[in-house]
Amino acid sequence: GDSVTQMEGPVTLSEEAFLTINCTYTATGYPSLFWYVQYPGEGLQLLLKATKADDKGSNKGFEATYRKETTSFHLEKGSVQVSDSAVYFCALSEGSGTYKYIFGTGTRLKVLA
Amino acid sequence: DTAVSQTPKYLVTQMGNDKSIKCEQNLGHDTMYWYKQDSKKFLKIMFSYNNKELIINETVPNRFSPKSPDKAHLNLHINSLELGDSAVYFCASSPTGGGTRTAFFGQGTRLTVV
Repeated sequence: GDSVTQMEGPVTLSEEAFLTINCTYTATGYPSLFWYVQYPGEGLQLLLKATKADDKGSNKGFEATYRKETTSFHLEKGSVQVSDSAVYFCALSEGSGTYKYIFGTGTRLKVLA
Repeated sequence: DTAVSQTPKYLVTQMGNDKSIKCEQNLGHDTMYWYKQDSKKFLKIMFSYNNKELIINETVPNRFSPKSPDKAHLNLHINSLELGDSAVYFCASSPTGGGTRTAFFGQGTRLTVV
């Protein structure tokens, strides 16, 4: 079945460091890919998404490119801030009508001032 | 104006009790979901509904019974609560079926069974 694999956390970085969180997926078709962020005590919010190969999603300085050849959707940010500290989830959804989003295990990011 | 709202936010109850969590969305979406997040933050789908009809039941014990009175509401009733039911439960909604479309999540209900 479909699955999403994320790098283990926690990831601890100093402010202004470069961030990469790896995400790879297994899917039978052509899924859409998402990154969600969960701040402490809150629900999940969409950070960015890409719906086809080679698409780049971006938001708030975060970027991820849908790489079909490597089945990957790695999250990057050039300069993290303390306010980016949160848990980041990679997710996929197969075509419309699948009624399911499959999530990775989440990666906790802690940014130190 | 909250898009997906759940009540209550916190729920502490004893083993064996029955409890309900309510969820409402004002986004006009056709599809609603319940997810369970365990203590390690892993998110697993429990149910999905489309226009009040059950589409997915991911081998959830039948002590869990979702009910969708209309497409804007999806409630979760849990009978005979067990310690292992302690988790955060998230309601979500999306336009029909998901796919390329974004799912919107509620704030979560932290259930603690003692």
